[in-house]
Amino acid sequence: KAGVTQTPRYLIKTRGQQVTLSCSPISGHRSVSWYQQTPGQGLQFLFEYFSETQRNKGNFPGRFSGRQFSNSRSEMNVSTLELGDSALYLCASSVRNRDYTFGSGTRLTVV
Amino acid sequence: AQTVTQSQPEMSVQEAETVTLSCTYDTSESDYYLFWYKQPPSRQMILVIRQEAYKQQNATENRFSVNFQKAAKSFSLKISDSQLGDAAMYFCAYRSGSPTGANSKLTFGKGITLSVRP
Repeated sequence: KAGVTQTPRYLIKTRGQQVTLSCSPISGHRSVSWYQQTPGQGLQFLFEYFSETQRNKGNFPGRFSGRQFSNSRSEMNVSTLELGDSALYLCASSVRNRDYTFGSGTRLTVV
Repeated sequence: AQTVTQSQPEMSVQEAETVTLSCTYDTSESDYYLFWYKQPPSRQMILVIRQEAYKQQNATENRFSVNFQKAAKSFSLKISDSQLGDAAMYFCAYRSGSPTGANSKLTFGKGITLSVRP
């Protein structure tokens, strides 16, 4: 079966712009989580959505937001981009939060 | 809050040899899950092995096994008969046993880069 699909794979944006990343979970998975990975901070939890509702949120500023659609696909948005937002953004889907399957991530570079 | 610590940033192993990657964690919960994930250069995080805290038996998946010491809050990964394809970054992760609301997330260690010498 198809895995978790994240698009785009690479993205270059300018400071001050906004960006939207997409994640399509494995069919039947209703939970989608987002993580930010940087060399300095490692992997940090951004938020989790379950059945179109945000169930948990990490310690990130309000510039980071997300949503989930009725087909479980999720998007995350970062507004007013800063250089420090450059990172690999990983999405994971799960069934009942037991085992998480990750996508290959979106590499965001802010210049 | 739970924390996961991987104190070794890098390790190297000879092909066909055995290597052990260390991980410690801190939690006040009694019900939780521990994971080891592998992240090769392709960037995708791949689940290597899972351990439920309520199980006394150490988990094993082919060449991968863990040494779970609940009292010491230690969770190490042993890779036997190392192969070139095992070269990657390895992350230890914790998840609450009640994965709803504020507990519905993975907490990761900083990771360890494993290289395999031919």
